[in-house]
Parts: sequence; C-alpha cells; structure tokens
Amino acid sequence: DTAVSQTPKYLVTQMGNDKSIKCEQNLGHDTMYWYKQDSKKFLKIMFSYNNKELIINETVPNRFSPKSPDKAHLNLHINSLELGDSAVYFCASSQEGRRRDSPLHFGNGTRLTVT
Amino acid sequence: QKEVEQNSGPLSVPEGAIASLNCTYSDRGSQSFFWYRQYSGKSPELIMFIYSNGDKEDGRFTAQLNKASQYVSLLIRDSQPSDSATYLCAVKSNFGNEKLTFGTGTRLTIIP
Repeated sequence: DTAVSQTPKYLVTQMGNDKSIKCEQNLGHDTMYWYKQDSKKFLKIMFSYNNKELIINETVPNRFSPKSPDKAHLNLHINSLELGDSAVYFCASSQEGRRRDSPLHFGNGTRLTVT
Repeated sequence: QKEVEQNSGPLSVPEGAIASLNCTYSDRGSQSFFWYRQYSGKSPELIMFIYSNGDKEDGRFTAQLNKASQYVSLLIRDSQPSDSATYLCAVKSNFGNEKLTFGTGTRLTIIP
C-alpha cells in the first residue's frame, strides 16, 4: 500500500526519558513534515524537510531533533521528555511542497503520553 | 489575531440539510486553501483544495473562496451522519513556502 507510515502508534513514557518516532513515505514525495496536535485538536507545524534539507523549523524546543536520512524518511527524536510534550504527532508528506496545489498526506499519528 | 480562524462549534445540522463551515485568514498573500476532515482518533484526510476566487464543486462538497474578504468556506450538501467529524481549514502562504497553517477546526455533528 502506498502511504505515510509512522511508528509507534502509541508511546507511553516517563518524564526525563528520550524517545524517537519514525516516519516513512512510499509516495515518492520530496517534502516531509512533523506536526503536533494538542488536546484541543490544534495542528501546529514543527519541522519540514525537502530532499533531506531542513526547510522549516518553527519555534520548537531544541529537545526536539528531526533527522532525515533520505527523502523517504523523517524521524523525530525527543530528549528529556516533559509532561507538556504529551500530544499526537503526525508525520506528513507532499509532492513539491512549494506548489500551491500540493496537499499534505498524513500518517496515522503517534499518541505520546508522558507521565 | 490567529493566522487561520474557525468557529470551534459544535455545529449541529439535521441529516439531509446543508452544512456550512467557515474560515478566515489573516495573511493577504495566502495562495491556496485546503479543507481536511478528521474523525476522532484518526488522521486528517484531504477533502478538497481551492486557489481561485469563486466556487469549486466536488460531489456533495463545494469550497468557496473570497480573497478580498479573506474568507473560505466549505458547504456539504445532503449531509449524512458519516459527515460528523472535525473539519480543518488550512492555508498555504505563498509560492516558495511549504508551510501549511491550520485552523483549530470546527466540530460538525449531523443529527439523524
């Protein structure tokens, strides 16, 4: 199946731990993103990569570090997890992200709970 | 002022009626506008996008754009219970910027 897939689907961890979320897309897209959706359903962009190059880096604590080994993969590593990091993290991709008619295709999300 | 604003709802519409969802945006340089539907516990899925002033129809859905008023709407005709979801408006700023900015979403409930 062609899709954006991210793992794990659920992640429960304690404060202070370090965790990673992985994302892969087989749609042949050149741009990938991480979005965070809070408890009020607000989707906010965190990072964007185009062909492994960081394009967008919003005001995100430097505890969050994205890594893109190739244009089909974008991982998110989070250090020293805090309670406020609890949210659903969505990976997304788009073909030629700069084009005005280029929509996002979302993965199924990773629900992170920090206790 | 938020970049993209939507009424959070909930908006309740009887089955078979027209549901009207509205969105305003602050950046006059915005070029394209997307509507996503998100069921509870699921990921957002694209319904349609529009970048020219006027109406764009796709099945039961019609997107309307008025750039002068910085307003975009989504109409759902013949509403079905399966249309009950949160609808997210998203705006892409301009050419050369991959960033898609989302509104907070409107929760729509179709009453059988």
